[in-house]
Amino acid sequence: AQKITQTQPGMFVQEKEAVTLDCTYDTSDPSYGLFWYKQPSSGEMIFLIYQGSYDQQNATEGRYSLNFQKARKSANLVISASQLGDSAMYFCAMREGYGNKLVFGAGTILRVKS
Amino acid sequence: GAVVSQHPSRVICKSGTSVKIECRSLDFQATTMFWYRQFPKKSLMLMATSNEGSKATYEQGVEKDKFLINHASLTLSTLTVTSAHPEDSSFYICSARDPSSGGAGTDTQYFGPGTRLTVL
Repeated sequence: AQKITQTQPGMFVQEKEAVTLDCTYDTSDPSYGLFWYKQPSSGEMIFLIYQGSYDQQNATEGRYSLNFQKARKSANLVISASQLGDSAMYFCAMREGYGNKLVFGAGTILRVKS
Repeated sequence: GAVVSQHPSRVICKSGTSVKIECRSLDFQATTMFWYRQFPKKSLMLMATSNEGSKATYEQGVEKDKFLINHASLTLSTLTVTSAHPEDSSFYICSARDPSSGGAGTDTQYFGPGTRLTVL
């Protein structure tokens, strides 16, 4: 079974608007971490934001916020005020337990239109 | 965040040769590093977990004799693709955690810029 599901292969957003990238996960481990990474065409993986399973509040990092709904097992990434430079592939990932490997979703390609 | 470097960024080699890719943590010590492979427009596939001073842990289906991993120091892990063939052409990317960073940073994997391997 898929542990991380990203149902949107591709998304378009108008510059300066907000966009939500979906991510659902599946785990029975009470301790886990959720991550979002951005991969531009250059290939580097850029860490964006992290949410721990025991964190009470949604994580925020500048224009990025993570909408963590634990009961629904979803961890959607919200990008506010989209910029042209936000065009990239976005991956959601999960770590089960501590220090273990990451499992990645299939990714969502985001294109920001001017 | 922590900085991870990879070298080379791009390599083209002839079929049958071996290629070594280096992954370095520049400003922290990494007891564990991870090696991934990525095909175009696909997700990252974990190949192995590299442990400093011990043998790497390979994922199911990854040939350990084909992809040799050495983690000789706390800042360097190497991946050697032995007797490379065209089907080994791919984007290889490493990552590392900084156990000293504290909080969420301890749990976060930081990635190198990747190495694009082309085997002719």
